Amino acid sequence: GDSVTQMEGPVTLSEEAFLTINCTYTATGYPSLFWYVQYPGEGLQLLLKATKADDKGSNKGFEATYRKETTSFHLEKGSVQVSDSAVYFCALSSSGSARQLTFGSGTQLTVLP
Amino acid sequence: GAVVSQHPSRVICKSGTSVKIECRSLDFQATTMFWYRQFPKKSLMLMATSNEGSKATYEQGVEKDKFLINHASLTLSTLTVTSAHPEDSSFYICSARDYRSQGGTGELFFGEGSRLTVL
Repeated sequence: GDSVTQMEGPVTLSEEAFLTINCTYTATGYPSLFWYVQYPGEGLQLLLKATKADDKGSNKGFEATYRKETTSFHLEKGSVQVSDSAVYFCALSSSGSARQLTFGSGTQLTVLP
Repeated sequence: GAVVSQHPSRVICKSGTSVKIECRSLDFQATTMFWYRQFPKKSLMLMATSNEGSKATYEQGVEKDKFLINHASLTLSTLTVTSAHPEDSSFYICSARDYRSQGGTGELFFGEGSRLTVL
């Protein structure tokens, strides 16, 4: 079945540091890939997505590239801010309508001033 | 953007009692809502798909008599954990999609989650 393996946290960085959160997946066919973010006390929010190989999703300075050859969708940001502190979830959907998502375990990011 | 609200955000109950968690779409109609469960340091696990006006579709291994789901209106789905036991303690999250604005494949919006602790 489908699965998502995410870098275990917690991750603690200083402000303006470079961020990478690794995500690899196993799926049949050609899944769509997502990164969700959950800020303290809030629901999950879609951060970015990519629907086919070599697509790059980007939002709020975050980027992730759909790499079919390595089955990866690593999240990166060049310079993190304190406000980026949150839990980040990698997810995939192998159905065309994205009805069902398979999530990674989440990575807690804390950015210190 | 669309908002999905869950209530209560935290609940503590005694073993053997039942607990109801509500999931509401605040500014859109949702014919389908999803319920997830999250264990500490684990992935979100899809429990069931809640369909307005019909029975929920449960994932394999999820006890439908234990986790009762009702989707009585286009803006409300409820999850009732019946005869709760300590092993039911977990973080429960709902999500919904605004089909009208996205042609049937729109973004999923998530609630804030409800943490259940069974003593």
